[in-house]
Amino acid sequence: SQKIEQNSEALNIQEGKTATLTCNYTNYSPAYLQWYRQDPGRGPVFLLLIRENEKEKRKERLKVTFDTTLKQSLFHITASQPADSATYLCALPPSGGYQKVTFGTGTKLQVIP
Amino acid sequence: EPEVTQTPSHQVTQMGQEVILRCVPISNHLYFYWYRQILGQKVEFLVSFYNNEISEKSEIFDDQFSVERPDGSNFTLKIRSTKLEDSAMYFCASLSQSSGANVLTFGAGSRLTVL
Repeated sequence: SQKIEQNSEALNIQEGKTATLTCNYTNYSPAYLQWYRQDPGRGPVFLLLIRENEKEKRKERLKVTFDTTLKQSLFHITASQPADSATYLCALPPSGGYQKVTFGTGTKLQVIP
Repeated sequence: EPEVTQTPSHQVTQMGQEVILRCVPISNHLYFYWYRQILGQKVEFLVSFYNNEISEKSEIFDDQFSVERPDGSNFTLKIRSTKLEDSAMYFCASLSQSSGANVLTFGAGSRLTVL
């Protein structure tokens, strides 16, 4: 079955630096991959989607890359701010005719002022 | 911005009691979901619902769980006889499909505490 892993449970970074989060997956060749943000006690919020034919996608200070050979996506936040502190989840789309979106365990990012 | 609404925000119940969690998905969405998140753990899929029936369910979604959409707007998750390990945040989500990509919009969640 498909597996999705986010290698770091937690990441602390100084304000103004670039945060880089990693997502790896196995047993799957997704047509796209998604990133969500989750604040404590709240539901995940969709941030970005990157398709298999896109190497890179940007949205304001966010940048996502997708390497289908390595089966990896990197999520970057440039010029990080304390307000960026949250848990970031990568998600694989449905496969095999089903509609389940599968989430990674998440990386908890703390941006230190 | 359309949103998914969940009630109650927090429910405390005794073990063995029935619980119903309610959700109002986004009106023009067709697929609806329940996910669960035990404190400190990952967001886990429970069930998806389409065209008034379950389209997929996980191994967590056993006979104690049921879902229905009784009136075309509300989408409910019922746990018949709650166990301590059912304590978690339960998130409802509805799905939009745009250019072949599925994006979930989640509600704020219902925190269930089973004593």
